[in-house]
Amino acid sequence: ELKVEQNPLFLSMQEGKNYTIYCNYSTTSDRLYWYRQDPGKSLESLFVLLSNGAVKQEGRLMASLDTKARLSTLHITAAVHDLSATYFCAVDPTAGGTSYGKLTFGQGTILTVHP
Amino acid sequence: NAGVMQNPRHLVRRRGQEARLRCSPMKGHSHVYWYRQLPEEGLKFMVYLQKENIIDESGMPKERFSAEFPKEGPSILRIQQVVRGDSAAYFCASSPGDSYGYTFGSGTRLTVV
Repeated sequence: ELKVEQNPLFLSMQEGKNYTIYCNYSTTSDRLYWYRQDPGKSLESLFVLLSNGAVKQEGRLMASLDTKARLSTLHITAAVHDLSATYFCAVDPTAGGTSYGKLTFGQGTILTVHP
Repeated sequence: NAGVMQNPRHLVRRRGQEARLRCSPMKGHSHVYWYRQLPEEGLKFMVYLQKENIIDESGMPKERFSAEFPKEGPSILRIQQVVRGDSAAYFCASSPGDSYGYTFGSGTRLTVV
């Protein structure tokens, strides 16, 4: 059974600081997704990482994927209050083949950014 | 493009009643997925459907839960004889098929009283 573990589960940051959220998974995969969820809302797609070494950046967020280590990171640079949300990674257990949408999600990281 | 539409947004049912959750995929998307999110947990896969076919229902509880995606109309997730443990947010996602990227709907929050 595929396991996806995020850490930390709770992250309290000051504005302007940097931090990294880690996502470890237990099986071969070359597709990993990062989502943001605000309270009571749906999931907003942040990044899709499709190969080993993939790095994507959008604003203050940067995501990377190391398929050999089975690890993805979401790095936050100079945090601002608007980034407060829950962040999920999700692994698609597919290695070069067809995806069947059977994503396995991490537990989520609740990020709170304080002034 | 209205995105993935789910309704109702909120649904309250008494124990023993039936709940019907609807999902209309994005235009051009023929693949629908249902996920359940229990309070303060990540989403858990339930079922994957294409038009008139269930492709993978390995995440569906064996009893009381069923899903369909008819030729015409939205996908329906049906929960019979609801119990308090069914209270959760149910999300639908759609995709165009053999490619990456899933679009999630806003979810239906089911409360069983």
